[in-house]
Order: sequence, then structure tokens, then C-alpha cells
Amino acid sequence: NAGVIQTPRHKVTGKGQEATLWCEPISGHSAVFWYRQTIVQGLEFLTYFRNQAPIDDSGMPKERFSAQMPNQSHSTLKIQSTQPQDSAVYLCASSLLGGSAETLYFGSGTRLTVL
Amino acid sequence: GEQVEQLPSILRVQEGSSASINCSYEDSASNYFPWYKQEPGENPKLIIDIRSNMERKQIQELIVLLDKKAKRFSLHITDTQPGDSAMYFCAASGDGSSGNKLIFGIGTLLSVKP
Repeated sequence: NAGVIQTPRHKVTGKGQEATLWCEPISGHSAVFWYRQTIVQGLEFLTYFRNQAPIDDSGMPKERFSAQMPNQSHSTLKIQSTQPQDSAVYLCASSLLGGSAETLYFGSGTRLTVL
Repeated sequence: GEQVEQLPSILRVQEGSSASINCSYEDSASNYFPWYKQEPGENPKLIIDIRSNMERKQIQELIVLLDKKAKRFSLHITDTQPGDSAMYFCAASGDGSSGNKLIFGIGTLLSVKP
């Protein structure tokens, strides 16, 4: 089992450009979560899907961030018009059923740097 | 929604001593409290968890305590080793305002000096 796979590992964009981050959950897992990690804010929840359906996007900045899960094997997080404050490590995690007391299995993250 | 406070943000201890990290939460409906360890350059991994029907849980040198009345929980690492040096995150989830998602504390950077 390869675990949760995130690509790319590092991404550098210029201010105003678009960034798309990819996540492949563990095979058989029904839920996918996106978190953003910074030194100042720690691990911030962004959004999650269960069985490909969006369940909770309460952590997503409304204007420039969007997430999709077109099939059970991958999810994307898209940031339009990136700003320097978007620089962070974006972590994807999956869990078996998406229940409240389940283990989250994190990927290695995508380090986004906005110049 | 749920918020989790975690202290201290940095903890330095001598090898062989104990380390304690404290967290508090707001939503009384939260009922699951895991702890994740993130080593440098690695992703966070679950190391121990406790549910609201328990007050204490121990796995080897890791002890978790839960005080539901005070809405506090804590991680205690006994006999710390250099390999325990890492970032530690507490979290909470349940059937309350946070729904099924884990809300994490800001993290504690533990440094164990030989």
C-alpha cells in the first residue's frame, strides 16, 4: 500500500498564477480531507469529501480556493490568483469511512511557495 | 465551530525526563481526541487516541488523560528519548459543531536533549 500520494511535492508560483494540487487517497478509503499547515496557524482544516461528495468546506477561503473529487481515486485543490499568504504545506489525508473517530492517513504534502 | 488550544508551543526536556502537552476544547459534543506526531520532513501520524468514555489510556511510554468536565486532555511522554523529538498535534472531533472532521491544535515542538 503506497499510502496517500500527493503531487507535486513542491510548487513555486508567481503571484496571481493558478496552482493545482493533486491527491490520491489510499485505495478503498471513502473520505478525503484537505488541510493547510503553516507555522503560525498549525494544521487548518480546509474541506472534505465522503464517497466523492463534498461534505464540509467550511475552512476554504471562498473566493480563490476550490476542491473537487471527480472519482474515488483522486482529489484536486485549486487555488486561483495565488497570493504570498497562500504559501504553506497543503496536506491531504484519507480515512476508511469518514467517521468522526477514524484515523487520518496523511500524504507527504505539497509545499506551495508563492513569490 | 470547535476550537482546540494547545500549549506549550515549544517544549525542551532532558533525555529520560517526562514531557507534558496540554490541550483544551470548546465543544462539549466532541468525543474523540487523537494525538499525531510529525517528525521532520514527514507527514503526521497517529500515535495514540482516547474516546470520551475513557479518562486514561496508556500505550508504552505514552499516557493520555481526558477531563470531560474541564474539556481538557493531555499527552504525557515518560522517559523521553531523542527519537521523541518531533511536532505533536492534539485534535478533537465528534458529533458537535465540527462534524466528522478533526480540528487540530497549533502543535507543540518537542526537543529532547541527550
